Amino acid sequence: DAKTTQPNSMESNEEEPVHLPCNHSTISGTDYIHWYRQLPSQGPEYVIHGLTSNVNNRMASLAIAEDRKSSTLILHRATLRDAAVYYCILRGGGGATNKLIFGTGTLLAVQP
Amino acid sequence: GAVVSQHPSRVICKSGTSVKIECRSLDFQATTMFWYRQFPKQSLMLMATSNEGSKATYEQGVEKDKFLINHASLTLSTLTVTSAHPEDSSFYICSARKWDRGDTDTQYFGPGTRLTVL
Repeated sequence: DAKTTQPNSMESNEEEPVHLPCNHSTISGTDYIHWYRQLPSQGPEYVIHGLTSNVNNRMASLAIAEDRKSSTLILHRATLRDAAVYYCILRGGGGATNKLIFGTGTLLAVQP
Repeated sequence: GAVVSQHPSRVICKSGTSVKIECRSLDFQATTMFWYRQFPKQSLMLMATSNEGSKATYEQGVEKDKFLINHASLTLSTLTVTSAHPEDSSFYICSARKWDRGDTDTQYFGPGTRLTVL
């Protein structure tokens, strides 16, 4: 699986937007970009995923660079409940390569 | 969305005993489920891939005789930690694969099981 690089930690203020970066310079043409987050003592929660185009859902937006070597997860208005570890993971399509390999992620702290 | 449950959420056992953890996909069928382990302050480590009706595939370094996996139905996978020892104390998390449109799928995770071996 291709490797991703994320900052170890970030801080945000409540009700402000948060941009969580992820670098994946070795991404292949068939790799999807998946984002999960994990709150303390809970299993990871699916956030969003995309291939080439930007994606929006009720939780977040995913902005993918044109060369696909980086992406940004955008939380439009951070709340205290968004404090978690955010993982950016590359994964192949629904074929044989379907494992999620977790890196160290970004620990997001949200200040009131 | 999709819901995955785990049971029990927390278990304490004596050294040498075996513990079974259940993982269920509640509102979808999952031919493939995954088991992870997470130690404090660390990331999730994939242990094995559980395939319905066939043998599990274990990651390198994971003892298949120690961690028995059974995926007997499309909604249930079980992980049995045999002859548990204190070093097996960890947070065990499962995920289930749900097919999306086209050829992509999304994995949904259970809430985790905290195992403490005394």
